[in-house]
Amino acid sequence: AQRVTQPEKLLSVFKGAPVELKCNYSYSGSPELFWYVQYSRQRLQLLLRHISRESIKGFTADLNKGETSFHLKKPFAQEEDSAMYYCALYGYSTLTFGKGTMLLVSP
Amino acid sequence: NAGVTQTPKFQVLKTGQSMTLQCAQDMNHNSMYWYRQDPGMGLRLIYYSASEGTTDKGEVPNGYNVSRLNKREFSLRLESAAPSQTSVYFCASSEIGISYEQYFGPGTRLTVT
Repeated sequence: AQRVTQPEKLLSVFKGAPVELKCNYSYSGSPELFWYVQYSRQRLQLLLRHISRESIKGFTADLNKGETSFHLKKPFAQEEDSAMYYCALYGYSTLTFGKGTMLLVSP
Repeated sequence: NAGVTQTPKFQVLKTGQSMTLQCAQDMNHNSMYWYRQDPGMGLRLIYYSASEGTTDKGEVPNGYNVSRLNKREFSLRLESAAPSQTSVYFCASSEIGISYEQYFGPGTRLTVT
């Protein structure tokens, strides 16, 4: 069975501070990993996926197969980054989500 | 292009009542999904339809039924609502292939008293 673990329910930082949202996974095959974001009163949307190796809104995420991790990072947090972030793994025809981490960026 | 739409946005039911949540997408996607979102639990898959004419159980299917009416529409039915089904329900759709991106609807907030 596949599993996604996000160990932090809440991460609170000040504007300009670095951010790292942790994600670990368990999957027997070759994983396809994603980060989804849900801003207040908005629908869930894709932030980035590991296969594209892109940076979106200053966020990056690197797949580390040895540590089975896909942590989301941003060097300088902005107030508009405040949202709920979900790590997700695609496998066996379905997307499995972690429980989510709420990021709060204070001025 | 509305993307994924859901009706209703809010609903209050009494225990034992039934209702159907509607979902439609206009992106010509083959796959559609129903999730529930609960505090501290993240999103959990209830049912999905990989393609028109097929449906499969997800992680938490008990108490629910689904119908893939056509390629555009995928409904979720609660036959006898229970307080444990109080949640926010999200519908999503995606294409089959390397993209795997799922597009979500705005959600339905359901309260069962």
